[in-house]
Amino acid sequence: QKEVEQDPGPLSVPEGAIVSLNCTYSNSAFQYFMWYRQYSRKGPELLMYTYSSGNKEDGRFTAQVDKSSKYISLFIRDSQPSDSATYLCAITIIQGAQKLVFGQGTRLTINP
Amino acid sequence: DAGVIQSPRHEVTEMGQEVTLRCKPISGHDYLFWYRQTMMRGLELLIYFNNNVPIDDSGMPEDRFSAKMPNASFSTLKIQPSEPRDSAVYFCASSLQVPLRNTEAFFGQGTRLTVV
Repeated sequence: QKEVEQDPGPLSVPEGAIVSLNCTYSNSAFQYFMWYRQYSRKGPELLMYTYSSGNKEDGRFTAQVDKSSKYISLFIRDSQPSDSATYLCAITIIQGAQKLVFGQGTRLTINP
Repeated sequence: DAGVIQSPRHEVTEMGQEVTLRCKPISGHDYLFWYRQTMMRGLELLIYFNNNVPIDDSGMPEDRFSAKMPNASFSTLKIQPSEPRDSAVYFCASSLQVPLRNTEAFFGQGTRLTVV
C-alpha cells in the first residue's frame, strides 16, 4: 500500500468551476501537509502547506485536512486556465528519520 | 542563489550503459532528496540525505541504482547498467529541513532520461 494515495485523473473542468482534489494517507506519523503545483516540464513548486486539521485559505485556494479520516483536500474557486497543471499532495513523515512523500499527482485542465 | 541545479537536462543512452545524474542543492540546505517521476507511478522518493548522510534509501528500486553526496554542494545518482524501464524524469530537491512551517522543498528542473 502506498503511503499517500491520490487519484491521477486527468480532470477537466470549465473555467470558473470549483475544483476539488483529494488525497488519503495511511501513517499517523504524518505531521505536515502540503500541496505542490507542477507545470509541464517543470519541477514541482509549493502552493500551500498546513500542519493541523481544519481549513487554510490563500486567495482562491483552500487546503483542508481531516486527521481523523487521514484525508486532505485542495479546493480551487473560480478556476482559471492558468491553473491547468498537475497538483501533488505531499506529506512529511516524522518517525526518527524525516522524509517527504508525494501522491501520484492529479493532472488538471481548465477549459476556457 | 540560482536554485537547485541539475545536469544534464536531457540524457539519451543505450541499454547497459552507465548513467550519472548530478545535483547542486541550494547553499545551506540540510536535506537533499532524489525523486523519479513517471506517468504510471507519479513522483517516487528514491533516497534522501541529511547533512550529506544517506538517511533512507528504501525507495531505490534495485542495486543498479546508487547515490552519493560527497559534500554539501553536490550529489550524484548513478544507474549501472541502465535499462529501458529506467526511463523517467529524475528530480533533485533540497530543503532547510523537512518542509516545516514556512520552509519548503525546492526542486530542480529535472533530468529527462531515455534509455533505448
